[in-house]
Amino acid sequence: SAVISQKPSRDICQRGTSLTIQCQVDSQVTMMFWYRQQPGQSLTLIATANQGSEATYESGFVIDKFPISRPNLTFSTLTVSNMSPEDSSIYLCSVQPTGYYGYTFGSGTRLTVV
Amino acid sequence: DAKTTQPPSMDCAEGRAANLPCNHSTISGNEYVYWYRQIHSQGPQYIIHGLKNNETNEMASLIITEDRKSSTLILPHATLRDTAVYYCIVRGRYGGSQGNLIFGKGTKLSVKP
Repeated sequence: SAVISQKPSRDICQRGTSLTIQCQVDSQVTMMFWYRQQPGQSLTLIATANQGSEATYESGFVIDKFPISRPNLTFSTLTVSNMSPEDSSIYLCSVQPTGYYGYTFGSGTRLTVV
Repeated sequence: DAKTTQPPSMDCAEGRAANLPCNHSTISGNEYVYWYRQIHSQGPQYIIHGLKNNETNEMASLIITEDRKSSTLILPHATLRDTAVYYCIVRGRYGGSQGNLIFGKGTKLSVKP
């Protein structure tokens, strides 16, 4: 399966600022997925990102708040914009490697907004 | 919304088999059953998946009922490192939005010495 490098691993940010999270995969993948995991909760899918097209957002998530870039087949970024304490969560990226049934997840970015 | 129902928590003695149930009564013919687990402070890890036949790999066995409305994940000899939240997920076979992984609340398995 693929190896995912996610940066930063954690950050503490001031409210009103933005943070960009990077996800680098060691192989080319068609789709990349971004999830949010709020404290003590399960994972919620934010959006799916295809290379060369706009991301598809799930209900409750909008591009202005969570802009996503997908410049090539191995890299994506998720920006959390105009942050508030309610955005404090773990953000994870995920891919389905070619020829592999399972999804691989990064280790996540633990974001605290103060 | 998740299409599965799991007990919120279970305990298992170390060295014994852990049997984790999952109900997916609305599963359709083109949907797989996937199992993932999330160990504390890590991303989810793929365990196993199946369509209608029982499956086994180096990590676990998956037993799917004949009507496909429920399944059981079996960890044959649980260890302390198997303590995690286990997610049963129904996923579309042909990709698109039905192929996305949608997580429910999962079962928190605690393996005790």
